[in-house]
Amino acid sequence: QQPVQSPQAVILREGEDAVINCSSSKALYSVHWYRQKHGEAPVFLMILLKGGEQKGHEKISASFNEKKQQSSLYLTASQLSYSGTYFCGTELNTGGFKTIFGAGTRLFVKA
Amino acid sequence: DGGITQSPKYLFRKEGQNVTLSCEQNLNHDAMYWYRQDPGQGLRLIYYSQIVNDFQKGDIAEGYSVSREKKESFPLTVTSAQKNPTAFYLCASSFALGQPQHFGDGTRLSIL
Repeated sequence: QQPVQSPQAVILREGEDAVINCSSSKALYSVHWYRQKHGEAPVFLMILLKGGEQKGHEKISASFNEKKQQSSLYLTASQLSYSGTYFCGTELNTGGFKTIFGAGTRLFVKA
Repeated sequence: DGGITQSPKYLFRKEGQNVTLSCEQNLNHDAMYWYRQDPGQGLRLIYYSQIVNDFQKGDIAEGYSVSREKKESFPLTVTSAQKNPTAFYLCASSFALGQPQHFGDGTRLSIL
């Protein structure tokens, strides 16, 4: 039931782009994205509720393909402050509104 | 400022001992959650509560217990039945289930 995130880790130079994927084997109602910096609490980035929906936060945006049961997080022109671990959280289409988190993608942006 | 307060930040447990982790929120949120975080495994749900006096087991509830007697408070007890309690524990809250969650700074539990 846990969503699968890929890649597990990525290293970028400042200004480069990255994509983080989150896929589920079951039909999804929504997808949440969070970022956790080392030693800190996870921070909410965005939630996607509808198929095909896209949202943005700073230069970070995301898409949700309901049919493919997956979401992608796009980081454009990455900054040093983007470093951290990104988690997707999925809610199944069967109700209950219980969010299940993926294992996370570690992102490191270097100067 | 509104937020979630977890205490203590670090906690040490002796073998066979129960310990309780505190979580208090002043965000007026109805839903509260407890997660366990181990290296490379993301956030695993222990218990969650939709409303006062109600709570449900998550995916790894064995060896843990909770109570929700007040809207603001959702303490987690790690019992001696939890054989591998060493982990980072995060408490979170949201306006309702399925809504964006606001996390506390966590409690790191270790075994002496």
